[in-house]
Amino acid sequence: DIQMTQSPSSVSASVGDRVTITCRASQGISRWLAWYQQKPGKAPNLLLYAASSLQSGVPSRFSGSGSGTDFTLTISSLQPEDFATYYCQQANGFPLFGGGTRVEV
Amino acid sequence: QVQLQQSGPGLVKPSQTLSLTCDISGDSVSSNIVTWSWIRQSPSGGLEWLGKTYYRSKWYYDYAVSVRSRVTINPDTSKNQFSLHLNSVTPEDTAVYYCARGAVTDFKTYFDYWGQGVLVTVSS
Repeated sequence: DIQMTQSPSSVSASVGDRVTITCRASQGISRWLAWYQQKPGKAPNLLLYAASSLQSGVPSRFSGSGSGTDFTLTISSLQPEDFATYYCQQANGFPLFGGGTRVEV
Repeated sequence: QVQLQQSGPGLVKPSQTLSLTCDISGDSVSSNIVTWSWIRQSPSGGLEWLGKTYYRSKWYYDYAVSVRSRVTINPDTSKNQFSLHLNSVTPEDTAVYYCARGAVTDFKTYFDYWGQGVLVTVSS
């Protein structure tokens, strides 16, 4: 079975920082990966799909890269509204989510 | 604008059946270009996909291995909704349950619209 591992589990950052989150698949999934942002008490929100395609309406400070087993979500300049938990999801088969990365002050 | 509105009880007794409904507006449960899923989030935060239904000239159903023996997802075209039924629940089924639309790109599914979530607690 595929496993999705995110790192770090949490990251402390400040407004304006560049933040990078990593997601690793236990086997190759080509570029079939999505990233979601979730704020407390809300449903996850799709940010990127197919590893690097920006979902409509998502700010361009969010970007994604990677293929195969290693993927990265980058926030180029952290904004106050970006403090949240981020999840990756593999789409190469039944959906499977990573454990999440909390971005906190 | 697609909107998903969930409803159902927030408390279920052990061994009973958890039932939730997701009303769809702005799209059709019978659409042949999207899928309709249920996803839950445990109290510790982990997200788990439970299953989906979709229409491609006929209805299809896929379920996660972890719940396959206990879960049913049913579309209702007359009400433009779909439902989740999870039987023989235990306290480990306590979670926030979400319905979600799956957008299909390159035959891969990403969840672009979600319901508001319903906390279901399994307790006597």
